[in-house]
Amino acid sequence: EAGVTQFPSHSVIEKGQTVTLRCDPISGHDNLYWYRRVMGKEIKFLLHFVKESKQDESGMPNNRFLAERTGGTYSTLKVQPAELEDSGVYFCASSLVDNSPLHFGNGTRLTVT
Amino acid sequence: KQEVTQIPAALSVPEGENLVLNCSFTDSAIYNLQWFRQDPGKGLTSLLLIQSSQREQTSGRLNASLDKSSGRSTLYIAASQPGDSATYLCASDNAGGTSYGKLTFGQGTILTVHP
Repeated sequence: EAGVTQFPSHSVIEKGQTVTLRCDPISGHDNLYWYRRVMGKEIKFLLHFVKESKQDESGMPNNRFLAERTGGTYSTLKVQPAELEDSGVYFCASSLVDNSPLHFGNGTRLTVT
Repeated sequence: KQEVTQIPAALSVPEGENLVLNCSFTDSAIYNLQWFRQDPGKGLTSLLLIQSSQREQTSGRLNASLDKSSGRSTLYIAASQPGDSATYLCASDNAGGTSYGKLTFGQGTILTVHP
């Protein structure tokens, strides 16, 4: 069984540019989550999809962040325009059913210069 | 608002020792408590998940306990090995939210097991 895959593994962009991160969950997992870890801080929740619907997006920092999950398969997280404080590691996770373990991807390290 | 604290922040032990990692949380209204392992440059690997109605879970040399009333969980690692070296994270899945999987993480404990 393939795990959660994220692309790219690293991204370096300039302030004001746009970046799109992609996550492919484990096949059959309806729940998909985005988390991020900024330097020196703990990992924090961004949002949760159930299939293609946003179940909870209370952790999204502001309207520069847009997440989609068309067709309930892979998900994208777009940051537009990127700011310096957006730098960090963005993790995607999926789970099969509620109250089951989350399976995390290796993350995308985003650096905004 | 849930807060999760892990002690110690870092731990270095010789191979073979038994060790305990501590996690505390402020809000006892949780669905579950999860322990993860993270290796450098990698994602998080789920180790153990303890449901709110359970007291402990075991997997191989790992044993995790949960005491909701005191807001504490411990991860016990028996007969530590150099391959256990990693960052260990605990996270609570908080009840009262709109869904499962909205985890609150601690800062982690960096474990080094030297030969």
